[in-house]
Amino acid sequence: AIQMTQSPSSLSASVGDRVTITCRASEDIRNDLGWYQQKPGKAPKLLIYAASSLQSGVPSRFSGSGSGTDFTLTISSLQPEDSATYYCLQDYNYPRTFGPGTKVDVK
Amino acid sequence: EVQLVESGGILVQPGGSLRLSCVASGFPFSNFWMTWVRQAPGKGLEWVANIKQDGSVKYYVDSVKGRFTISRDNAKNSLYLQMNSLRAEDTAVYYCARDLTIEVSGSWFDACDIWGQGTTVTVS
Repeated sequence: AIQMTQSPSSLSASVGDRVTITCRASEDIRNDLGWYQQKPGKAPKLLIYAASSLQSGVPSRFSGSGSGTDFTLTISSLQPEDSATYYCLQDYNYPRTFGPGTKVDVK
Repeated sequence: EVQLVESGGILVQPGGSLRLSCVASGFPFSNFWMTWVRQAPGKGLEWVANIKQDGSVKYYVDSVKGRFTISRDNAKNSLYLQMNSLRAEDTAVYYCARDLTIEVSGSWFDACDIWGQGTTVTVS
Protein backbone atom coordinates (compact mmCIF):
# COMPACT_ATOMS: atom_id res chain seq x y z
CA ALA A 1 0.00 0.00 0.00
CA ILE A 2 1.10 3.55 -0.68
CA GLN A 3 2.33 5.27 2.47
CA MET A 4 1.39 8.88 3.03
CA THR A 5 3.28 11.18 5.38
CA GLN A 6 2.46 14.72 6.47
CA SER A 7 4.46 17.51 8.01
CA PRO A 8 4.31 19.11 10.39
CA SER A 9 2.19 16.95 12.68
CA SER A 10 0.92 20.11 14.34
CA LEU A 11 1.32 23.84 14.09
CA SER A 12 0.13 26.98 15.79
CA ALA A 13 -0.33 30.19 13.84
CA SER A 14 -2.04 33.53 14.16
CA VAL A 15 -5.07 34.86 12.38
CA GLY A 16 -4.02 36.18 8.99
CA ASP A 17 -0.91 34.01 8.74
CA ARG A 18 -0.10 31.95 5.66
CA VAL A 19 0.02 28.27 6.55
CA THR A 20 1.45 25.43 4.49
CA ILE A 21 1.02 21.72 5.13
CA THR A 22 3.00 19.12 3.23
CA CYS A 23 1.96 15.62 2.20
CA ARG A 24 4.34 13.10 0.68
CA ALA A 25 3.53 9.81 -1.02
CA SER A 26 5.82 6.78 -0.98
CA GLU A 27 5.50 6.50 -4.76
CA ASP A 28 4.32 8.56 -7.69
CA ILE A 29 0.56 9.17 -7.43
CA ARG A 30 0.36 11.71 -10.28
CA ASN A 31 -2.10 14.26 -8.91
CA ASP A 32 -4.57 11.76 -7.43
CA LEU A 33 -4.78 13.44 -4.05
CA GLY A 34 -7.40 15.11 -1.93
CA TRP A 35 -7.31 17.24 1.21
CA TYR A 36 -9.85 16.97 4.02
CA GLN A 37 -10.55 19.10 7.07
CA GLN A 38 -11.87 17.56 10.27
CA LYS A 39 -13.03 19.45 13.34
CA PRO A 40 -13.36 17.67 16.70
CA GLY A 41 -16.38 15.41 16.90
CA LYS A 42 -17.31 16.07 13.28
CA ALA A 43 -17.06 14.21 10.01
CA PRO A 44 -14.30 15.13 7.58
CA LYS A 45 -14.99 17.72 4.91
CA LEU A 46 -13.58 17.67 1.40
CA LEU A 47 -11.51 20.76 0.61
CA ILE A 48 -9.42 19.92 -2.45
CA TYR A 49 -9.47 17.14 -5.05
CA ALA A 50 -7.14 16.31 -7.92
CA ALA A 51 -4.38 17.95 -5.87
CA SER A 52 -5.40 21.51 -6.74
CA SER A 53 -9.12 21.73 -7.53
CA LEU A 54 -11.18 23.56 -4.94
CA GLN A 55 -14.37 21.80 -3.86
CA SER A 56 -17.52 23.84 -4.33
CA GLY A 57 -18.31 26.05 -1.36
CA VAL A 58 -14.80 25.93 0.11
CA PRO A 59 -13.27 29.37 0.76
CA SER A 60 -10.70 30.51 -1.77
CA ARG A 61 -8.06 30.98 0.93
CA PHE A 62 -7.55 27.21 0.66
CA SER A 63 -5.40 26.00 -2.20
CA GLY A 64 -3.55 22.85 -3.15
CA SER A 65 -0.56 22.13 -5.32
CA GLY A 66 1.87 19.40 -6.25
CA SER A 67 2.11 16.23 -8.27
CA GLY A 68 4.06 13.00 -8.20
CA THR A 69 5.07 12.48 -4.60
CA ASP A 70 5.00 15.94 -3.03
CA PHE A 71 1.91 17.99 -2.31
CA THR A 72 0.98 21.06 -0.31
CA LEU A 73 -2.16 22.53 1.18
CA THR A 74 -1.96 26.27 1.74
CA ILE A 75 -4.24 28.49 3.77
CA SER A 76 -3.44 31.98 2.54
CA SER A 77 -4.89 33.92 5.47
CA LEU A 78 -5.67 31.77 8.48
CA GLN A 79 -9.06 32.32 10.12
CA PRO A 80 -10.29 31.22 13.56
CA GLU A 81 -12.65 28.69 12.01
CA ASP A 82 -9.71 26.94 10.31
CA SER A 83 -8.70 25.36 13.58
CA ALA A 84 -8.90 21.67 12.68
CA THR A 85 -6.94 18.61 11.65
CA TYR A 86 -6.10 18.29 7.96
CA TYR A 87 -5.62 15.01 6.15
CA CYS A 88 -4.42 14.10 2.69
CA LEU A 89 -5.86 11.04 0.92
CA GLN A 90 -4.44 9.35 -2.17
CA ASP A 91 -6.93 8.03 -4.69
CA TYR A 92 -4.31 6.70 -7.10
CA ASN A 93 -4.81 3.06 -6.21
CA TYR A 94 -6.27 0.65 -3.66
CA PRO A 95 -6.28 0.56 -0.77
CA ARG A 96 -6.76 4.28 -0.48
CA THR A 97 -4.53 5.71 2.24
CA PHE A 98 -4.72 8.81 4.40
CA GLY A 99 -1.85 10.79 5.76
CA PRO A 100 -1.54 10.86 9.58
CA GLY A 101 -2.96 14.36 9.81
CA THR A 102 -1.78 17.86 10.68
CA LYS A 103 -3.42 19.63 13.58
CA VAL A 104 -3.71 23.38 13.06
CA ASP A 105 -4.27 25.61 16.07
CA VAL A 106 -5.24 29.24 15.59
CA LYS A 107 -3.75 31.45 18.27
CA GLU B 1 -31.02 17.73 1.44
CA VAL B 2 -28.15 15.44 0.57
CA GLN B 3 -27.58 13.25 3.60
CA LEU B 4 -25.98 10.06 4.86
CA VAL B 5 -27.05 8.58 8.18
CA GLU B 6 -25.16 5.70 9.75
CA SER B 7 -26.47 3.36 12.42
CA GLY B 8 -25.69 0.05 14.08
CA GLY B 9 -22.68 0.90 16.18
CA ILE B 10 -22.68 -0.71 19.63
CA LEU B 11 -20.49 -2.33 22.25
CA VAL B 12 -19.56 -5.85 21.16
CA GLN B 13 -17.25 -8.51 22.54
CA PRO B 14 -14.07 -9.57 20.75
CA GLY B 15 -14.85 -12.22 18.17
CA GLY B 16 -18.36 -10.92 17.74
CA SER B 17 -20.19 -9.64 14.68
CA LEU B 18 -21.98 -6.46 13.78
CA ARG B 19 -23.64 -4.91 10.74
CA LEU B 20 -23.45 -1.19 10.16
CA SER B 21 -25.95 0.59 7.93
CA CYS B 22 -25.86 3.87 6.09
CA VAL B 23 -29.00 5.32 4.55
CA ALA B 24 -28.65 7.89 1.80
CA SER B 25 -31.11 10.59 0.82
CA GLY B 26 -31.23 13.60 -1.47
CA PHE B 27 -29.20 12.12 -4.33
CA PRO B 28 -29.39 9.15 -6.73
CA PHE B 29 -27.64 6.59 -4.52
CA SER B 30 -27.31 3.97 -7.26
CA ASN B 31 -25.15 6.34 -9.35
CA PHE B 32 -22.26 6.51 -6.88
CA TRP B 33 -19.49 4.39 -5.48
CA MET B 34 -19.70 4.39 -1.68
CA THR B 35 -17.00 4.19 0.97
CA TRP B 36 -16.48 3.32 4.63
CA VAL B 37 -13.82 5.18 6.62
CA ARG B 38 -13.05 4.68 10.30
CA GLN B 39 -11.31 6.60 13.05
CA ALA B 40 -10.03 4.97 16.21
CA PRO B 41 -10.25 7.06 19.38
CA GLY B 42 -7.73 9.89 19.25
CA LYS B 43 -6.28 8.62 15.98
CA GLY B 44 -6.35 9.55 12.31
CA LEU B 45 -8.63 8.49 9.50
CA GLU B 46 -8.37 5.03 7.97
CA TRP B 47 -9.97 4.10 4.65
CA VAL B 48 -11.75 0.75 5.10
CA ALA B 49 -13.60 -0.28 1.93
CA ASN B 50 -15.59 0.87 -1.03
CA ILE B 51 -18.11 -0.56 -3.46
CA LYS B 52 -19.11 0.11 -7.04
CA GLN B 53 -22.54 1.37 -8.00
CA ASP B 54 -23.94 -2.07 -8.81
CA GLY B 55 -22.07 -3.89 -6.05
CA SER B 56 -19.95 -5.85 -8.50
CA VAL B 57 -16.57 -4.44 -7.42
CA LYS B 58 -15.33 -4.05 -3.86
CA TYR B 59 -12.01 -3.03 -2.35
CA TYR B 60 -10.76 -3.43 1.22
CA VAL B 61 -7.86 -2.39 3.38
CA ASP B 62 -5.73 -5.41 4.23
CA SER B 63 -6.51 -5.29 7.96
CA VAL B 64 -10.20 -6.11 7.36
CA LYS B 65 -9.99 -8.45 4.38
CA GLY B 66 -11.74 -11.73 5.11
CA ARG B 67 -13.50 -10.28 8.14
CA PHE B 68 -15.53 -7.34 6.80
CA THR B 69 -17.91 -7.30 3.85
CA ILE B 70 -19.22 -4.17 2.21
CA SER B 71 -22.55 -4.38 0.40
CA ARG B 72 -25.40 -2.20 -0.76
CA ASP B 73 -29.10 -2.31 -1.54
CA ASN B 74 -29.87 0.33 -4.14
CA ALA B 75 -33.62 -0.21 -3.78
CA LYS B 76 -33.30 0.87 -0.15
CA ASN B 77 -30.64 3.55 -0.75
CA SER B 78 -28.54 1.72 1.79
CA LEU B 79 -24.91 0.82 2.31
CA TYR B 80 -23.78 -1.86 4.74
CA LEU B 81 -20.66 -3.07 6.47
CA GLN B 82 -20.81 -6.59 7.87
CA MET B 83 -18.09 -6.91 10.48
CA ASN B 84 -17.09 -10.37 11.73
CA SER B 85 -14.36 -11.65 14.03
CA LEU B 86 -14.15 -8.24 15.62
CA ARG B 87 -10.98 -7.21 17.44
CA ALA B 88 -10.21 -4.49 19.94
CA GLU B 89 -8.37 -2.61 17.19
CA ASP B 90 -11.63 -2.32 15.22
CA THR B 91 -12.92 0.07 17.88
CA ALA B 92 -13.62 3.29 16.02
CA VAL B 93 -16.13 5.75 14.69
CA TYR B 94 -17.23 4.44 11.31
CA TYR B 95 -18.21 6.94 8.63
CA CYS B 96 -19.89 6.25 5.33
CA ALA B 97 -19.10 8.61 2.48
CA ARG B 98 -20.15 9.19 -1.10
CA ASP B 99 -17.47 8.75 -3.73
CA LEU B 100 -17.63 11.53 -6.26
CA THR B 101 -15.93 10.83 -9.57
CA ILE B 102 -14.86 14.11 -11.12
CA GLU B 103 -13.35 14.97 -14.48
CA VAL B 104 -10.55 17.51 -14.48
CA SER B 105 -8.88 18.34 -17.77
CA GLY B 106 -9.73 14.98 -19.28
CA SER B 107 -8.65 12.89 -16.29
CA TRP B 108 -10.88 11.31 -13.68
CA PHE B 109 -10.46 11.66 -9.94
CA ASP B 110 -12.27 10.32 -6.89
CA ALA B 111 -13.09 12.17 -3.70
CA CYS B 112 -15.39 11.62 -0.75
CA ASP B 113 -17.64 14.65 -0.94
CA ILE B 114 -20.53 13.75 1.36
CA TRP B 115 -20.07 12.15 4.79
CA GLY B 116 -22.35 10.80 7.44
CA GLN B 117 -22.09 11.78 11.09
CA GLY B 118 -20.51 8.47 12.06
CA THR B 119 -21.48 5.54 14.25
CA THR B 120 -19.36 4.25 17.12
CA VAL B 121 -18.23 0.66 17.37
CA THR B 122 -16.58 -0.47 20.60
CA VAL B 123 -15.02 -3.91 20.80
CA SER B 124 -14.36 -4.84 24.40
